[in-house]
Amino acid sequence: EPEVTQTPSHQVTQMGQEVILRCVPISNHLYFYWYRQILGQKVEFLVSFYNNEISEKSEIFDDQFSVERPDGSNFTLKIRSTKLEDSAMYFCASRVITGEQYFGPGTRLTVT
Amino acid sequence: TQLLEQSPQFLSIQEGENLTVYCNSSSVFSSLQWYRQEPGEGPVLLVTVVTGGEVKKLKRLTFQFGDARKDSSLHITAAQPGDTGLYLCAGASGWSYNTDKLIFGTGTRLQVFP
Repeated sequence: EPEVTQTPSHQVTQMGQEVILRCVPISNHLYFYWYRQILGQKVEFLVSFYNNEISEKSEIFDDQFSVERPDGSNFTLKIRSTKLEDSAMYFCASRVITGEQYFGPGTRLTVT
Repeated sequence: TQLLEQSPQFLSIQEGENLTVYCNSSSVFSSLQWYRQEPGEGPVLLVTVVTGGEVKKLKRLTFQFGDARKDSSLHITAAQPGDTGLYLCAGASGWSYNTDKLIFGTGTRLQVFP
């Protein structure tokens, strides 16, 4: 069964460094999302992406964040200058036009 | 701001018991999804309910969407230790295909003892 994949599974970085989290959505899906989950808290929406542009973004998704679909398969989330409070699990999700969102296994980002 | 409150937050029961988890909001959602999440992993989709009053069954799990599309419930019959996990409800907030971010509930952590 097709699934969303994410790499790396765990990323440790120092405050102020740039990180890129990668996702490979399910191949026939057209809508892509990033969510994050701080330890012990709810899953929170960050951004949605369709037709090579951002559809919607949350207040969390400030100028330090960007998303890109550099080729036909990858979907990336970049954090330009990481802060301690960016430490969280980051989940990628994708869906077809009228379908449910399917989530990847997540990347645990630890900022030290 | 749309919020989804789940209750109870924690539930510890014996194998064979029945349980119900509730997901409530003051907002209307276009659809509602139930996920299960294991520690350190991503949410895994269980079911989507779309129509007000809709009931869906998945083996021993029964999902219901409220008539007004503001609330939902998950009922598990004869719980088994394999049902242990974190159950999340998530409402799709938009009515356009391009604006359907998910609003997640607070989660219900279920522990089923043998």
